[in-house]
Amino acid sequence: DVKVTQSSRYLVKRTGEKVFLECVQDMDHENMFWYRQDPGLGLRLIYFSYDVKMKEKGDIPEGYSVSREKKERFSLILESASTNQTSMYLCASSLWGQGRSQPQHFGDGTRLSIL
Amino acid sequence: AQTVTQSQPEMSVQEAETVTLSCTYDTSESDYYLFWYKQPPSRQMILVIRQEAYKQQNATENRFSVNFQKAAKSFSLKISDSQLGDAAMYFCAYRRGNSGNTPLVFGKGTRLSVIA
Repeated sequence: DVKVTQSSRYLVKRTGEKVFLECVQDMDHENMFWYRQDPGLGLRLIYFSYDVKMKEKGDIPEGYSVSREKKERFSLILESASTNQTSMYLCASSLWGQGRSQPQHFGDGTRLSIL
Repeated sequence: AQTVTQSQPEMSVQEAETVTLSCTYDTSESDYYLFWYKQPPSRQMILVIRQEAYKQQNATENRFSVNFQKAAKSFSLKISDSQLGDAAMYFCAYRRGNSGNTPLVFGKGTRLSVIA
């Protein structure tokens, strides 16, 4: 079974702090994704990566950056946390599969509160 | 840009009955994939069912089936013999098919309650 592990289920930080959310997958997947989930808005893509050191902006990248130094790890960074970044953050991974219906596998999510 | 619309924010169903969740999408692509994910209170997103756009046959997974109407760009999920464990948020998602690394586009979700 694919395992996607997010480092924290709950996290509380203060405005202005630099925040790191970590995600690790154990199935050698090429693709990794960070989503933000808010009530009534569904999941919105922040960034994704299809290879080590490669990254692509999603729909809402402002205020975030990412790092992928190793294939199994994808980090989301809030450069200077703000209260409007209080949300649930979900990490996912998938195999590269051109022409195939590769599903994404998700972690349990990190509920981040910025005070 | 592709969009996915789930028009029912909340639905409820009696245990053992059947319920259908609606999803429509907008795309100009001909090659794509559609997914239904379930998110129970435990928060982990679980794949329920997937459909390749080039396949005319509707996908089925045990009590879960889809009604895929490509011309209408509709992809509804039918849950038969509903169980208490089916209570969750359900998300419809779309992925363009001509590349192996395109991300999913999600709808806003439908919260399903199951009444005992």
